[in-house]
Amino acid sequence: EVQLVESGGVVVQPGGSLRLSCAASGFTFDDYTMHWVRQAPGKGLEWVSLISWDGGSTYYADSVKGRFTISRDNSKNSLYLQMNSLRTEDTALYYCAKDIMAITIFGFVDYWGQGTLVTVSS
Amino acid sequence: QLVLTQSPSASASLGASVKLTCTLSSGHSSYAIAWHQQQPEKGPRYLMKLNSDGSHSKGDGIPDRFSGSSSGAERYLTISSLQSEDEADYYCQTWGTGFVVFGGGTKLTVL
Repeated sequence: EVQLVESGGVVVQPGGSLRLSCAASGFTFDDYTMHWVRQAPGKGLEWVSLISWDGGSTYYADSVKGRFTISRDNSKNSLYLQMNSLRTEDTALYYCAKDIMAITIFGFVDYWGQGTLVTVSS
Repeated sequence: QLVLTQSPSASASLGASVKLTCTLSSGHSSYAIAWHQQQPEKGPRYLMKLNSDGSHSKGDGIPDRFSGSSSGAERYLTISSLQSEDEADYYCQTWGTGFVVFGGGTKLTVL
């Protein structure tokens, strides 16, 4: 059974930093591209970033480019999101998600975690 | 610019059928999409990937009541024999080579 468990969400001040983690199990982690997707309170889904199965390619939404860094440790079956220069508009539930197809960037997700809440507030 | 457009809301009666629409922006009518369901206070759940020719592949455990179809730039999700647990937000999603796009979501109310 595929499981994705996010952690690291807290309350942080504007301008602060935070690292989110996602622990994956139930599939061959190092075969799959992984995504971060966020959802502001009462709003829709917004894609944040993806990293290829081998870590060699990363993509970011314009809203986070230059501030957030996605990474992975395949030896630990873990995905990360380093968030710097946080803004109030980054307040959201952050989901980790798995891409559908192995050994490619397919761009569609088929499993989601339950999310971790990041609140940026003074 | 790659954009997915969804109606903000829809409603249908218990036991009836409903068809939700996701429209691809001009010039992108050949794109595949995925449908995701988000029940209240839960994380999203993948329903299916839907190709431009209407072929689709569903996620694990998705009931036969959920089906997809396509026409031109429109991608549809049909839910038949509506149940109370189908009351949820439904999002379409696509891939634009370097970025992922989500539609704004449709809130489905089961009457």
